[in-house]
Amino acid sequence: EVQLVESGGGLVQPGRSLKLSCAASGFTFSNYYMAWVRQAPTKGLEWVASITNSGGSTYYRDSVKGRFTISRDNAKSTLYLQMDSLRSEDTATYYCTRVHWGVFDYWGQGVMVTVSS
Amino acid sequence: DIVMTQSPSSLAVSAGETVTINCKSSQSLLSSGNQKNYLAWYQQKPGQSPKLLIYLASTRESGVPDRFIGSGSGTDFTLTISSVQAEDLADYYCQQHYSYPTFGSGTKLEIK
Repeated sequence: EVQLVESGGGLVQPGRSLKLSCAASGFTFSNYYMAWVRQAPTKGLEWVASITNSGGSTYYRDSVKGRFTISRDNAKSTLYLQMDSLRSEDTATYYCTRVHWGVFDYWGQGVMVTVSS
Repeated sequence: DIVMTQSPSSLAVSAGETVTINCKSSQSLLSSGNQKNYLAWYQQKPGQSPKLLIYLASTRESGVPDRFIGSGSGTDFTLTISSVQAEDLADYYCQQHYSYPTFGSGTKLEIK
């Protein structure tokens, strides 16, 4: 059974940093692209960042470029999202997702990030 | 970016009725190379994570009931839910996977 378990969320002040982790199991992690998708409170879904199966290439939405860094450790089957210079508009539930054919076929339970002073 | 426009934003139906949700993309999602449309549909039940229902416009994900049907091509797509059940209460989102992924704004389905 595929499982994606996020951790690392919480309340953080604007301008500070936070690092999310996603522990994957139930599939061969190194075979799949992975991604983070977020959802602001009562809002829709928004793709944040993706990474290739080797970790050699990464992709970001414009609003997080230069502030967020997606990475992975295939030996640990773990995906990461380093978030720097956080803004109030980054407040959201962040979902770890597996990517297949460009779609998000498995989702974690999500982790809440609140950016507020 | 490809903009996805979804309609309606909400609808309420009685159990057993058929529902149609529309999704329009700002540019064609049809690949000339393989003639496939890169459009997916997701279901998000209250308090849960989204779940993939359909990809490549009409391919149902494993385990998804056959009352969920995806159709369309190019820029216009439809999710049809036949014989709606109470458990189908959810938000539904379309997403293009032709380029950097973008989602529609969602459709809230309520059961009368």
